[in-house]
This record gives sequence, structure tokens and C-alpha cells, in this order.
Amino acid sequence: DAGITQSPRHKVTETGTPVTLRCHQTENHRYMYWYRQDPGHGLRLIHYSYGVKDTDKGEVSDGYSVSRSKTEDFLLTLESATSSQTSVYFCAIKGRGSPGETQYFGPGTRLLVL
Amino acid sequence: DAKTTQPPSMDCAEGRAANLPCNHSTISGNEYVYWYRQIHSQGPQYIIHGLKNNETNEMASLIITEDRKSSTLILPHATLRDTAVYYCIVRVAWDTNAGKSTFGDGTTLTVKP
Repeated sequence: DAGITQSPRHKVTETGTPVTLRCHQTENHRYMYWYRQDPGHGLRLIHYSYGVKDTDKGEVSDGYSVSRSKTEDFLLTLESATSSQTSVYFCAIKGRGSPGETQYFGPGTRLLVL
Repeated sequence: DAKTTQPPSMDCAEGRAANLPCNHSTISGNEYVYWYRQIHSQGPQYIIHGLKNNETNEMASLIITEDRKSSTLILPHATLRDTAVYYCIVRVAWDTNAGKSTFGDGTTLTVKP
């Protein structure tokens, strides 16, 4: 286990409200990622971070923003939630060291936007 | 990142070896083959990865063909707890665009008693 926690684990919200999901790691890894998983689409990258205050977009970044003010926390914000953002959200970190370093995933956050 | 092709589903008898194939005919020389699995409602779990040589760890073995265009994940003695969706992913390890890591539909492995 790579010491990754996500909060909240479940959330129900209404369309138009802001939502922030938190990913916390205890391993001091540089790279952190946010994915969403939907039936028929697999896991798709939303945003990722390669250091404090260093972030970049993934393949489905519209409607999402992120922030990383310290190494251990990576926040995903839905500024104005829509029903199409109902999904399961996974945070991941990337191990360091040997070539071919891999990703380790958190337990996920289930978000329902009504 | 190279595209991968996996069968949508497979069955395996408990206690037998499960052999999960993956085709990645467009793999580049600097791309690794990674295997993950996802048990229902949980986050994806890393299993194993390799570049050219076959690899083995406490969970599984990875066999990569000499031309690297396909690979096989082997679970030597499948148990009911190995029932999951298995993903084969090919990507560059030190990619400057570090985020790109596409998980497709994977193979749903069902281990039966």
C-alpha cells in the first residue's frame, strides 16, 4: 500500500455546487494524478502534478481544476458540478526510483451529482 | 502510448493457472508493459511490469515475446479472490508528459470453484 487516502469516500451533491476532493499521500512522492472512471470509458486522466504548484492537464480536464500547495495533498475541484461529472474518482501517485516506476492508486471517491 | 488489445473476458478454474494475453503490436522500444487489476469497487492494483525480459514476483509472472508485440500475465494458482478486471498498459516510464496512462476495458477474469 502506497499510503494514499482520499476524502470524502462518497459524496452526493447538486448541480451547480462546488465540490473539492482531496488526495493525501504519506510517501513524499513527486507525481500525483486524478482519474475518473466511467462504464465504457475505463480510467481517464483529468489532471496531474509533478511537484508543488506544478500541474498539467490530462485528457478530460474541462470543468475541473487542481491545486497542490504541499507535497502530500492534491486537490481536485469541480467549480460548478454537473451531472456528467457523476463518476468514481481515483487519485494515484507514481513511485520513484527504478526505471519503469509505476502508479499506485487510492481507494476512490464516488461522486453523485443530482 | 501504444494501444493494447485484450480479450474482454476469461474464465479459470480455481487452483489452475490463469493466462491473460495482451497484444501491443505498436509498442516502442522505450515503452514498458504494465499489468494492473481492479477488484470491484476498489482502486486499480499494480501487479507487475517489464521491458524486455520475463518477470516474476509474488503475485504473478509476465512473459513478453521476443519481438515485444505481445505479452502474457500468468497467475500460477488462481483463487476466487483473483476475480477482477485485468488491465494491460504500455507506456514510457520517464515520459515528460507523465500523466498519460490509458486504462482500456481490460479483461474480466472470473475464477470459478
